[in-house]
Amino acid sequence: QVQLVESGGGVVQPGGSLRLSCAASGFTLNTYAIHWVRQAPGKGLEWVAVISFDGSSKFYADSVKGRFTFSRDTSKNTLHLQMNSLRTEDTAVYYCARGRYYDLLTGYYLGLDYWGQGTLVTVSS
Amino acid sequence: DIVMTQSPLSLPVTPGEPASISCKSSQSLLDSVGDNYLDWYLQKPGQSPQLLIYLGSNRASGVPDRFSGSGSGTDFTLKISRVEAEDVGVYYCMEALERPYSFGQGTKLEIK
Repeated sequence: QVQLVESGGGVVQPGGSLRLSCAASGFTLNTYAIHWVRQAPGKGLEWVAVISFDGSSKFYADSVKGRFTFSRDTSKNTLHLQMNSLRTEDTAVYYCARGRYYDLLTGYYLGLDYWGQGTLVTVSS
Repeated sequence: DIVMTQSPLSLPVTPGEPASISCKSSQSLLDSVGDNYLDWYLQKPGQSPQLLIYLGSNRASGVPDRFSGSGSGTDFTLKISRVEAEDVGVYYCMEALERPYSFGQGTKLEIK
């Protein structure tokens, strides 16, 4: 059964840091791209970042570029999003979602087909 | 960056009646092999978003056949043939052709 579980959210002061985790089960991270999408309170969805199936390619939205960084722990099938220099506008529920599937280096796009339950990040003084 | 525009933003519907949501992109979402990189997602109240349609017209696994996606290039439509009470929530289109991916503003479907 495919599952994504986010953790690591909490309350942090402006300028502070948090590390979010996205634990995958039912599939291996090294065959899928993984996206982060966030949702500010009462607002719509905002795409944040993506990491490729092999970790070689990472892309970030301009709003977080230079402040957010991906890392992976393949032994635990877990992805991390290091969030530094946090701003009040980063306050949101952060979701990880499964993206493009790779088989022998060929990618197949089937949408963001599984999403986690989300973890809330609150940046406030 | 590609800009996605949805309409309407609010959609009251009587159960059993059809519903339609439009999504327009600022650039064509058609790739070189003929796929339209446009998805539809539904976020039910208090839940995470769920995939309904990918590549413009492909229903995701488990999605009822009353949901259908159509369109090409820059103009896309999500149709619900007969709205049910469980369909309430906010519907988003998302382009997946170019990074950064972008979502539409969302369309809130409510039952009359």
